[in-house]
Amino acid sequence: ETGVTQSPTHLIKTRGQQVTLRCSSQSGHNTVSWYQQALGQGPQFIFQYYREEENGRGNFPPRFSGLQFPNYSSELNVNALELDDSALYLCASSLPLTDTQYFGPGTRLTVL
Amino acid sequence: SQQGEEDPQALSIQEGENATMNCSYKTSINNLQWYRQNSGRGLVHLILIRSNEREKHSGRLRVTLDTSKKSSSLLITASRAADTASYFCAPRSNDYKLSFGAGTTVTVRA
Repeated sequence: ETGVTQSPTHLIKTRGQQVTLRCSSQSGHNTVSWYQQALGQGPQFIFQYYREEENGRGNFPPRFSGLQFPNYSSELNVNALELDDSALYLCASSLPLTDTQYFGPGTRLTVL
Repeated sequence: SQQGEEDPQALSIQEGENATMNCSYKTSINNLQWYRQNSGRGLVHLILIRSNEREKHSGRLRVTLDTSKKSSSLLITASRAADTASYFCAPRSNDYKLSFGAGTTVTVRA
Protein backbone atom coordinates (compact mmCIF):
# COMPACT_ATOMS: atom_id res chain seq x y z
CA GLU A 1 0.00 0.00 0.00
CA THR A 2 1.35 3.40 -0.98
CA GLY A 3 -1.13 5.46 1.00
CA VAL A 4 -2.35 7.15 -2.16
CA THR A 5 -5.99 6.66 -3.04
CA GLN A 6 -7.95 7.51 -6.17
CA SER A 7 -11.63 7.74 -6.94
CA PRO A 8 -13.60 6.52 -8.68
CA THR A 9 -12.09 3.16 -9.63
CA HIS A 10 -13.91 2.98 -12.92
CA LEU A 11 -15.85 5.54 -14.92
CA ILE A 12 -17.75 5.52 -18.18
CA LYS A 13 -18.44 8.76 -20.03
CA THR A 14 -19.57 9.72 -23.49
CA ARG A 15 -17.70 11.85 -25.97
CA GLY A 16 -17.97 15.58 -25.27
CA GLN A 17 -18.66 15.20 -21.57
CA GLN A 18 -16.47 16.44 -18.74
CA VAL A 19 -14.92 14.33 -15.99
CA THR A 20 -13.23 14.95 -12.64
CA LEU A 21 -10.90 12.39 -11.14
CA ARG A 22 -9.72 12.60 -7.57
CA CYS A 23 -6.56 11.68 -5.70
CA SER A 24 -5.70 11.73 -2.03
CA SER A 25 -2.03 11.73 -1.09
CA GLN A 26 -0.22 11.00 2.11
CA SER A 27 0.21 13.80 4.59
CA GLY A 28 3.32 15.81 3.82
CA HIS A 29 3.41 14.85 0.14
CA ASN A 30 3.25 18.32 -1.34
CA THR A 31 4.02 17.27 -4.91
CA VAL A 32 1.51 15.38 -7.03
CA SER A 33 1.80 14.26 -10.62
CA TRP A 34 -0.84 12.89 -12.96
CA TYR A 35 -0.22 10.34 -15.69
CA GLN A 36 -2.28 8.85 -18.50
CA GLN A 37 -1.63 5.22 -19.39
CA ALA A 38 -3.19 3.83 -22.54
CA LEU A 39 -3.55 0.09 -22.87
CA GLY A 40 -0.20 -1.60 -23.48
CA GLN A 41 1.75 1.63 -23.02
CA GLY A 42 3.72 3.22 -20.25
CA PRO A 43 2.39 6.13 -18.22
CA GLN A 44 2.58 9.49 -19.94
CA PHE A 45 3.16 12.58 -17.82
CA ILE A 46 0.24 15.04 -17.86
CA PHE A 47 1.29 17.63 -15.27
CA GLN A 48 2.67 18.14 -11.82
CA TYR A 49 1.50 20.32 -8.95
CA TYR A 50 3.68 21.62 -6.16
CA ARG A 51 2.20 23.56 -3.26
CA GLU A 52 -1.07 24.00 -5.15
CA GLU A 53 0.49 25.42 -8.30
CA GLU A 54 1.18 23.73 -11.61
CA ASN A 55 4.95 23.54 -12.07
CA GLY A 56 5.29 21.37 -15.14
CA ARG A 57 3.22 19.99 -17.96
CA GLY A 58 3.56 17.27 -20.54
CA ASN A 59 2.27 17.23 -24.08
CA PHE A 60 -1.42 17.42 -23.24
CA PRO A 61 -3.96 20.03 -24.43
CA PRO A 62 -5.45 22.68 -22.14
CA ARG A 63 -8.67 20.71 -21.75
CA PHE A 64 -6.65 18.67 -19.24
CA SER A 65 -6.48 20.75 -16.07
CA GLY A 66 -5.87 20.14 -12.43
CA LEU A 67 -6.12 21.42 -8.91
CA GLN A 68 -4.20 20.65 -5.75
CA PHE A 69 -5.63 21.42 -2.31
CA PRO A 70 -3.96 22.16 1.04
CA ASN A 71 -5.20 18.86 2.48
CA TYR A 72 -2.96 16.89 0.03
CA SER A 73 -5.83 16.00 -2.26
CA SER A 74 -5.92 16.84 -5.94
CA GLU A 75 -8.14 16.66 -9.00
CA LEU A 76 -7.70 16.03 -12.69
CA ASN A 77 -10.35 17.57 -14.89
CA VAL A 78 -10.82 16.70 -18.53
CA ASN A 79 -13.24 18.68 -20.69
CA ALA A 80 -14.72 17.77 -24.06
CA LEU A 81 -13.83 14.10 -23.73
CA GLU A 82 -12.58 12.29 -26.79
CA LEU A 83 -12.50 8.56 -27.49
CA ASP A 84 -8.69 8.59 -27.19
CA ASP A 85 -8.97 9.81 -23.62
CA SER A 86 -9.95 6.27 -22.65
CA ALA A 87 -7.09 5.15 -20.39
CA LEU A 88 -5.93 4.45 -16.87
CA TYR A 89 -5.26 7.71 -15.04
CA LEU A 90 -2.68 7.56 -12.30
CA CYS A 91 -1.73 10.08 -9.69
CA ALA A 92 1.56 9.93 -7.84
CA SER A 93 2.76 11.93 -4.87
CA SER A 94 6.13 12.52 -3.34
CA LEU A 95 7.73 14.07 -0.31
CA PRO A 96 9.52 17.40 -0.60
CA LEU A 97 12.97 17.18 -2.16
CA THR A 98 12.70 13.45 -2.90
CA ASP A 99 12.42 11.64 -6.20
CA THR A 100 10.46 8.53 -5.30
CA GLN A 101 6.85 8.74 -6.43
CA TYR A 102 4.06 6.85 -4.71
CA PHE A 103 1.31 5.86 -7.11
CA GLY A 104 -2.36 5.39 -6.50
CA PRO A 105 -4.22 2.41 -7.99
CA GLY A 106 -5.61 4.50 -10.83
CA THR A 107 -8.98 5.36 -12.34
CA ARG A 108 -10.01 3.48 -15.47
CA LEU A 109 -11.84 5.93 -17.75
CA THR A 110 -13.81 4.67 -20.73
CA VAL A 111 -15.13 7.18 -23.24
CA LEU A 112 -17.89 5.92 -25.53
CA SER B 1 12.59 15.30 -20.87
CA GLN B 2 13.53 11.88 -22.03
CA GLN B 3 11.98 8.50 -22.16
CA GLY B 4 13.35 5.19 -21.04
CA GLU B 5 13.11 2.33 -23.50
CA GLU B 6 12.93 -1.14 -22.03
CA ASP B 7 14.15 -4.29 -23.70
CA PRO B 8 12.91 -6.94 -24.21
CA GLN B 9 9.22 -6.11 -24.55
CA ALA B 10 8.30 -9.45 -22.99
CA LEU B 11 10.07 -12.12 -21.02
CA SER B 12 8.88 -15.57 -19.92
CA ILE B 13 10.89 -17.53 -17.38
CA GLN B 14 10.54 -20.52 -15.07
CA GLU B 15 10.10 -19.96 -11.36
CA GLY B 16 13.49 -19.86 -9.68
CA GLU B 17 15.28 -18.49 -12.75
CA ASN B 18 16.73 -15.01 -13.02
CA ALA B 19 15.14 -12.28 -15.12
CA THR B 20 17.14 -9.48 -16.70
CA MET B 21 15.74 -6.46 -18.49
CA ASN B 22 17.48 -3.45 -19.92
CA CYS B 23 16.74 0.23 -20.26
CA SER B 24 18.28 2.77 -22.58
CA TYR B 25 17.92 6.55 -22.54
CA LYS B 26 19.21 9.45 -24.55
CA THR B 27 20.47 12.35 -22.46
CA SER B 28 22.18 12.94 -19.15
CA ILE B 29 20.26 12.00 -16.04
CA ASN B 30 20.06 12.88 -12.38
CA ASN B 31 18.84 9.42 -11.45
CA LEU B 32 17.02 6.43 -12.90
CA GLN B 33 14.15 4.64 -11.24
CA TRP B 34 12.53 1.25 -11.77
CA TYR B 35 8.85 0.60 -11.13
CA ARG B 36 6.65 -2.48 -11.23
CA GLN B 37 3.01 -2.62 -12.27
CA ASN B 38 0.70 -5.55 -11.65
CA SER B 39 -2.23 -6.08 -14.02
CA GLY B 40 -2.91 -2.45 -14.95
CA ARG B 41 -2.89 -1.21 -11.39
CA GLY B 42 -0.76 1.48 -9.79
CA LEU B 43 3.00 1.47 -10.13
CA VAL B 44 5.21 0.48 -7.24
CA HIS B 45 8.63 2.02 -6.81
CA LEU B 46 11.35 -0.65 -6.74
CA ILE B 47 14.69 1.09 -6.69
CA LEU B 48 16.41 4.37 -7.50
CA ILE B 49 19.98 4.62 -8.68
CA ARG B 50 21.75 7.96 -8.87
CA SER B 51 23.96 9.02 -11.74
CA ASN B 52 27.10 8.65 -9.63
CA GLU B 53 26.26 5.07 -8.64
CA ARG B 54 27.08 2.01 -10.72
CA GLU B 55 25.23 -0.73 -8.92
CA LYS B 56 22.57 -1.03 -6.29
CA HIS B 57 20.88 -3.94 -4.54
CA SER B 58 17.53 -4.29 -2.85
CA GLY B 59 16.54 -7.79 -1.74
CA ARG B 60 16.41 -9.93 -4.89
CA LEU B 61 16.82 -6.91 -7.14
CA ARG B 62 20.08 -5.72 -8.61
CA VAL B 63 20.28 -2.59 -10.72
CA THR B 64 23.26 -1.39 -12.71
CA LEU B 65 23.79 1.92 -14.39
CA ASP B 66 26.27 2.75 -17.11
CA THR B 67 26.08 6.45 -17.83
CA SER B 68 28.67 6.23 -20.60
CA LYS B 69 26.38 3.88 -22.50
CA LYS B 70 23.23 5.54 -21.22
CA SER B 71 21.83 2.23 -20.12
CA SER B 72 20.62 0.43 -17.04
CA SER B 73 19.67 -3.11 -16.24
CA LEU B 74 17.38 -4.70 -13.68
CA LEU B 75 18.06 -8.24 -12.51
CA ILE B 76 15.52 -10.18 -10.50
CA THR B 77 17.07 -13.26 -8.96
CA ALA B 78 15.27 -16.47 -7.98
CA SER B 79 12.03 -15.31 -9.56
CA ARG B 80 8.64 -16.12 -8.07
CA ALA B 81 5.13 -16.20 -9.50
CA ALA B 82 4.46 -12.93 -7.68
CA ASP B 83 7.13 -11.25 -9.82
CA THR B 84 4.82 -11.55 -12.82
CA ALA B 85 4.26 -7.91 -13.76
CA SER B 86 5.30 -5.14 -16.11
CA TYR B 87 8.53 -3.36 -15.28
CA PHE B 88 9.27 0.22 -16.26
CA CYS B 89 12.40 2.29 -16.08
CA ALA B 90 12.10 6.05 -15.64
CA PRO B 91 15.15 8.20 -16.26
CA ARG B 92 14.96 11.49 -14.47
CA SER B 93 16.75 14.45 -15.94
CA ASN B 94 17.18 17.77 -14.18
CA ASP B 95 13.56 18.58 -14.74
CA TYR B 96 10.81 17.40 -12.49
CA LYS B 97 9.10 14.58 -14.30
CA LEU B 98 9.50 10.88 -14.93
CA SER B 99 9.24 9.60 -18.48
CA PHE B 100 8.28 5.97 -18.84
CA GLY B 101 8.77 3.65 -21.76
CA ALA B 102 6.40 0.89 -22.77
CA GLY B 103 7.88 -1.50 -20.21
CA THR B 104 8.95 -5.13 -20.10
CA THR B 105 6.23 -7.68 -19.36
CA VAL B 106 7.62 -10.51 -17.25
CA THR B 107 5.77 -13.80 -16.88
CA VAL B 108 7.04 -16.28 -14.30
CA ARG B 109 5.83 -19.83 -14.98
CA ALA B 110 5.30 -22.21 -12.10
